[in-house]
Amino acid sequence: EDQVTQSPEALRLQEGESSSLNCSYTVSGLRGLFWYRQDPGKGPEFLFTLYSAGEEKEKERLKATLTKKESFLHITAPKPEDSATYLCAVQAGRDDKIIFGKGTRLHILP
Amino acid sequence: ETGVTQTPRHLVMGMTNKKSLKCEQHLGHNAMYWYKQSAKKPLELMFVYSLEERVENNSVPSRFSPECPNSSHLFLHLHTLQPEDSALYLCASSSITSGRADEQFFGPGTRLTVL
Repeated sequence: EDQVTQSPEALRLQEGESSSLNCSYTVSGLRGLFWYRQDPGKGPEFLFTLYSAGEEKEKERLKATLTKKESFLHITAPKPEDSATYLCAVQAGRDDKIIFGKGTRLHILP
Repeated sequence: ETGVTQTPRHLVMGMTNKKSLKCEQHLGHNAMYWYKQSAKKPLELMFVYSLEERVENNSVPSRFSPECPNSSHLFLHLHTLQPEDSALYLCASSSITSGRADEQFFGPGTRLTVL
């Protein structure tokens, strides 16, 4: 069964303390992996798309990487405004189905 | 207006009411989606419209009825809902292009409470 699992479920960091969020997936025929950021009471905001193993993308303090089984979202020297839920999703299969993980709630303490 | 807009932002309805959610995208996309987001659960895809035709319906109860009159507008008609239907309903749009993954752009959502 196609599955997307994100860990940890929640993460509290001090401002400036770098860390990584994990998204592991078991799908056949990966077409793309997406990262989104969601603030409370708002819709998800698109961050990155990764297409193949070895690919990396960066945006400000965020860097996303992809292997054949998982993706990491690295957060370098985070600030309180980086606090949000980060969602991972994959598009895969003959029907290009999109499957979301449950997300990681990130809280950056000042 | 830019991006994806949704109205209303909040809705409280009784189990016997009929209401509609509206979504509009200003991105020139050719596909639109309805998702349900409940606490502690991943986003659940409800309906997909590509080029104004419904291409996916993930076994959603008939009390939810979608309508896509054109590529910019999407509605979700609600009737005789249950309390467990209370959730954040998100609309998204994307540009379906052969060979590329479909990055979706989401609206702010409608917070629905069914009494």
